[in-house]
Amino acid sequence: ELKVEQNPLFLSMQEGKNYTIYCNYSTTSDRLYWYRQDPGKSLESLFVLLSNGAVKQEGRLMASLDTKARLSTLHITAAVHDLSATYFCAVDLGNQFYFGTGTSLTVIP
Amino acid sequence: DADVTQTPRNRITKTGKRIMLECSQTKGHDRMYWYRQDPGLGLQLIYYSFDVKDINKGEISDGYSVSRQAQAKFSLSLESAIPNQTALYFCATSDLRVSANEKLFFGSGTQLSVL
Repeated sequence: ELKVEQNPLFLSMQEGKNYTIYCNYSTTSDRLYWYRQDPGKSLESLFVLLSNGAVKQEGRLMASLDTKARLSTLHITAAVHDLSATYFCAVDLGNQFYFGTGTSLTVIP
Repeated sequence: DADVTQTPRNRITKTGKRIMLECSQTKGHDRMYWYRQDPGLGLQLIYYSFDVKDINKGEISDGYSVSRQAQAKFSLSLESAIPNQTALYFCATSDLRVSANEKLFFGSGTQLSVL
């Protein structure tokens, strides 16, 4: 059974600060996805990471994948309030997507 | 109009009732999924379908059934609802033809409460 663990589960950070969210998974996979969910809304795709060493950046967010360590990170640079949301990683295992528990991020002015 | 549409958006029902949640998509995707979201548990896969004749159980299929009526329609049924099926349900699709980029596209969700 594939387990996907995210930490932290809750993150409160000040505007302008940097932080990293971690996603560990228990079974070999070279496909990992990051999604964002705003309160009361659906999930939207942020990044698709398809190989070891993959790095993707969009604005203040950067995601990376280390398949050997079974670890992906989502780095937040100089946080702004608009980044407040819940972030999920998801691992693709045989075309089934297994989600982490999510990290609820609150950016404080 | 949304590419992945779920109906209803909210539903309150009683224990033992039969409930159907519907999902339709205009994206032309082959693959469709049903997930449930519970606070603190992330999303769990209930059923998935890779085409009209292909239905597969996910992590938590007990108590649920599905029907893929057409490429664009995928319904989730609770034959006899129970309170611990109270959750937010999402339908999602992905594109078989884009095998290197199979991200999920989600509907807006159905909030189901079983009393």
